[in-house]
Amino acid sequence: DVKVTQSSRYLVKRTGEKVFLECVQDMDHENMFWYRQDPGLGLRLIYFSYDVKMKEKGDIPEGYSVSREKKERFSLILESASTNQTSMYLCASSFSTGVETQYFGPGTRLLVL
Amino acid sequence: ILNVEQSPQSLHVQEGDSTNFTCSFPSSNFYALHWYRWETAKSPEALFVMTLNGDEKKKGRISATLNTKEGYSYLYIKGSQPEDSATYLCAFLRAAGNKLTFGGGTRVLVKP
Repeated sequence: DVKVTQSSRYLVKRTGEKVFLECVQDMDHENMFWYRQDPGLGLRLIYFSYDVKMKEKGDIPEGYSVSREKKERFSLILESASTNQTSMYLCASSFSTGVETQYFGPGTRLLVL
Repeated sequence: ILNVEQSPQSLHVQEGDSTNFTCSFPSSNFYALHWYRWETAKSPEALFVMTLNGDEKKKGRISATLNTKEGYSYLYIKGSQPEDSATYLCAFLRAAGNKLTFGGGTRVLVKP
C-alpha cells in the first residue's frame, strides 16, 4: 500500500512565524502536491513538483514556498505565517500526472493565531 | 481557474435509501475526471478515474457515469449505509494539463 505521511496532524503557530510542513511518500512517486482545504472551497493546489528540485506553482502559491531535495520528501514552507493561512493542508503523491490516482496524506490542521 | 462545481453541497440520506449527486466541469478540453471519497479523520481515497464519454464505473454499491459532451458526472450510492458518510470530491483534468482542479465536494451524511 502507498503511504503518504505528514509530519503533524495539528499545529498552532503565531503570526509571523516560519512554518514547515513535511510530507513523505514511500512509493517512489515522481509527482508530489500540496493542497489546502477550506470549507466549501474543495482542495486548492498550492504547489506541485514533478521531480527532485523541480516545482511548479499551483492556483494559490502566494505566501508559500516549497522544497524537494529528495524524491520521497516534499516540504511546504510558510515564510511568515498569517491568520488567513489557517487551514487544512493536504499532501498527495502520484506516479505521474493526469489519469494516475493521487494518494493523500492524513492532513495537517494549521491554526495561525 | 477552471470551474468545477458539485451539487448539492451536502445531503442527508436515510439508511437504505439510494442517492446521487453531480459534478459539473468544462465540456471542452476534457482529459479525465477523478472521484475521491474523504471520510472524517482519514485521507481522501480514490474511487474512480474516468476518461471516456459514456463511461460507467462501479465499486460495490457506488457507481459513476460520465458525460463529457455536456460536462457532468453523476455519482450514485445504492442502499446507503452509515459507512458511506463522507465528503465526495470530483476533480477535473484538462487535456495537456498536469494538475487536477477539484470541486467543492458533496458532504453525505447517512442516518441510521
